[in-house]
Amino acid sequence: QVELVESGGGVVQPGRSLRLSCEASGFIFSRYAMHWVRQAPGKGLEWVTVTWHDGSKKYYADSVKGRFTISRDNSKDTVYLQMNSLRADDTAVYFCVRDGGYYDTNLYHYGPYDLWGQGALVTVSS
Amino acid sequence: DIVMTQSPDSLAVSLGERATINCKSSQSVLHSPNNKNYLAWYQQKSGHPPKLLVSWSSTRESGVPDRFSGSGSGTDFSLTISSLQAEDVAVYYCQQYYSSPLTFGPGTKVEIK
Repeated sequence: QVELVESGGGVVQPGRSLRLSCEASGFIFSRYAMHWVRQAPGKGLEWVTVTWHDGSKKYYADSVKGRFTISRDNSKDTVYLQMNSLRADDTAVYFCVRDGGYYDTNLYHYGPYDLWGQGALVTVSS
Repeated sequence: DIVMTQSPDSLAVSLGERATINCKSSQSVLHSPNNKNYLAWYQQKSGHPPKLLVSWSSTRESGVPDRFSGSGSGTDFSLTISSLQAEDVAVYYCQQYYSSPLTFGPGTKVEIK
């Protein structure tokens, strides 16, 4: 079964840290770039970060740059999101997402998000 | 960053009637070398993750009912539900994946009139 399963969400105080995990199954994980996308309560979708298939490149939204770190372990089919210095406005459901992009003469082109996890709720509150 | 806008914010349509959602990007998302628009549509039902409906502006995903269709090119796009069904009640988002950061529209809520 092709799926992504997030874990690690919860309630955390401002300034503290939390790590999310996303385990993939049913497809060749190491072939895909992976993203984290978040959705604050009652709000729209916000891209957070991406790691390329081999972890060689990582990019972050300005809102999380310097505080969040994405990583992956292709031997475990898992992508992680380390979130430090959490703030109230980081409260959201965090989705792990597969990128349906492709390489063209060594240049990577992003693609549509063709597989989503069920989401992990992170609540930052004192 | 490419800014995505959608209209309307919400719409209420009678069962069996047509619903059309518009999406506009602040820059063209048409990649000239392959003549493809890097534009997707997602459906999000309450309490669920988004689901990819349409990619490359007009390619319907496998299993998506043919009442859903995407169109447009460059900076102007639309998603049409030709005959609204009760199960189509959801928020619909457009997204560009032409350039980083990948950005979404604010969403359009579709309800039954």
